[in-house]
Amino acid sequence: KNEVEQSPQNLTAQEGEFITINCSYSVGISALHWLQQHPGGGIVSLFMLSSGKKKHGRLIATINIQEKHSSLHITASHPRDSAVYICAASGNNDMRFGAGTRLTVKP
Amino acid sequence: NAGVMQNPRHLVRRRGQEARLRCSPMKGHSHVYWYRQLPEEGLKFMVYLQKENIIDESGMPKERFSAEFPKEGPSILRIQQVVRGDSAAYFCASSPLGGQGGNEQFFGPGTRLTVL
Repeated sequence: KNEVEQSPQNLTAQEGEFITINCSYSVGISALHWLQQHPGGGIVSLFMLSSGKKKHGRLIATINIQEKHSSLHITASHPRDSAVYICAASGNNDMRFGAGTRLTVKP
Repeated sequence: NAGVMQNPRHLVRRRGQEARLRCSPMKGHSHVYWYRQLPEEGLKFMVYLQKENIIDESGMPKERFSAEFPKEGPSILRIQQVVRGDSAAYFCASSPLGGQGGNEQFFGPGTRLTVL
């Protein structure tokens, strides 16, 4: 069993839909990260969370430390949101990655 | 302020050759991390370096792989005697503060290594 599990593995949505991607982790963490990897391969850090909730534009990330669970939400999804979204749990010096969720938003 | 830079972006090597991947962190960042993404697989941590020091290399293969981050110049990930299984995307990230725990990392565009 992976230490960081994401679901779903693949997700297809229509433009405008509300998207939720889930992440569960089994290791102790200092922070939980959400990353976005574009089709070209580049990686962008979206959020770093250690508690509560963060919002940036149409993106919202939440974390429940007790349940070891985090969610990434995208409101009013758009085709340009199509990418792989990766959850990562960081400890002191290392980072453990989920397998990623491939999101496709159709116009 | 330029972001994290990696070069080359694409590198082709024949089996048995050496591959050198370079990473220049963001200005003011003295902490560098290397990750590997095998085809159709997730990212895996390889090594964490601070200037002139290897802090954590628990993700590095025991043989053929080495990394350095000298006082001057970029961080180098070196793979000796490459094999086909080394074909992957290698990403570098940097942060201004130490440890991966609570620090945001900024990723480079990656180097795609193909071993023929």
